[in-house]
Amino acid sequence: ETGVTQTPRHLVMGMTNKKSLKCEQHLGHNAMYWYKQSAKKPLELMFVYNFKEQTENNSVPSRFSPECPNSSHLFLHLHTLQPEDSALYLCASNRTGGAEAFFGQGTRLTVV
Amino acid sequence: QQQVKQSPQSLIVQKGGISIINCAYENTAFDYFPWYQQFPGKGPALLIAIRPDVSEKKEGRFTISFNKSAKQFSLHIMDSQPGDSATYFCAASRQGGKLIFGQGTELSVKP
Repeated sequence: ETGVTQTPRHLVMGMTNKKSLKCEQHLGHNAMYWYKQSAKKPLELMFVYNFKEQTENNSVPSRFSPECPNSSHLFLHLHTLQPEDSALYLCASNRTGGAEAFFGQGTRLTVV
Repeated sequence: QQQVKQSPQSLIVQKGGISIINCAYENTAFDYFPWYQQFPGKGPALLIAIRPDVSEKKEGRFTISFNKSAKQFSLHIMDSQPGDSATYFCAASRQGGKLIFGQGTELSVKP
């Protein structure tokens, strides 16, 4: 285990549903990231948080809404998603200024 | 300039052979170059990493070769084993910031 825990591991949701993905780390890291991994594509960075503040949003549609209540927890709130949003969503963390990033196992999201 | 280009997209190697995956970058400010290994159903995990002050780093069967002037780095897996079958991602970052990933290489090692 990497020390980064994501729940749920699998999620199937309809296009009108609202759901949330959760990420938790107790590694003492203060930077947290959301990545999207689609089949046959590179990992796409979605959001970056440093010390609970969002420092980067890579033009992510507003149907994805991140929340970082503290340095140990990161959420991704989902609403009115599209089938093309189906992917593996990965959370990662590291120390700000530290190089190695630790990844969770991801949430496999299917939008029907 | 933020891109990291990785090749090949897929690679098939016989057991005991050498697997070689290549990456190229543009941003000369990058100062950290890791390789991640991802098995199906798992998140990526750090395999080995290098900084630009050295040209090679070896950990067991895994070696990174780094060519600063060419802005290229590569992963060599010696004596490849079926258990090495996974997707490999190169990445780069600057001053401990966000990682920029390559497109990934799906490695299959045949018995």
